[in-house]
Amino acid sequence: DFVMTQSPDSLAVSLGERATINCKSSQSLLYSSNNKNYLAWYQQKPGQPPKLLVYWASTRQSGVPDRFSGSGSGADFTLTISSLQAEDVAVYYCKQYYRTPYTFGQGTKLEIK
Amino acid sequence: QVQVQESGPGLVKPSETLSLTCSVSGGSISSYYWNWIRQPPGKGLEWIGYINNDGTTDYNPSLKSRVTISRDTSKNQLSLTLSSVTAADTAVYSCARALGFGERWFDPWGQGTLVTVSS
Repeated sequence: DFVMTQSPDSLAVSLGERATINCKSSQSLLYSSNNKNYLAWYQQKPGQPPKLLVYWASTRQSGVPDRFSGSGSGADFTLTISSLQAEDVAVYYCKQYYRTPYTFGQGTKLEIK
Repeated sequence: QVQVQESGPGLVKPSETLSLTCSVSGGSISSYYWNWIRQPPGKGLEWIGYINNDGTTDYNPSLKSRVTISRDTSKNQLSLTLSSVTAADTAVYSCARALGFGERWFDPWGQGTLVTVSS
């Protein structure tokens, strides 16, 4: 199985500041035939199901604010929130969909400092 | 817009079988891949398995011996059964759509339903 490891486990950032969450896969998620990275990011607020933010590692889902951006390739990825808003408080998960069983990172809890 | 709603018993006894339904509106279940995911209280996410557009299933090896995912296209519903449950199976169970074989991100998700395994 692909093991997904996120860092840090929790993060406190001031409003308006940048938040950066890292995700490392135990194997490359880059599929050579199409040059795409099979990684997605989700946001989960308390009492809600996860919400898709980013797929193909860097493609923002429709309706997601442009302060959210995904980057990285191969086995190392980053989710960046350029200017933290109060409504961004949540747990963030990365997920690989390169191969089943699909696996998630353990989650990063983002709070306001 | 596709909407997804899970339903089923909130309490299941140890050693019994958990059975859940996922009702889909706004789109045909035959057109997409449908996934079940679970999340124990306060913990992370675990993919259980999927049923795809032609009815083929794929399961997480960690659960494969106990899980069955099926569909009723006439009702536009999916089903999940998990046999021989223990307290470790207590979780919020959710279903979510993936667009296709390559496009395997999950969107949308249902709200999820909490299943507690207890006598």
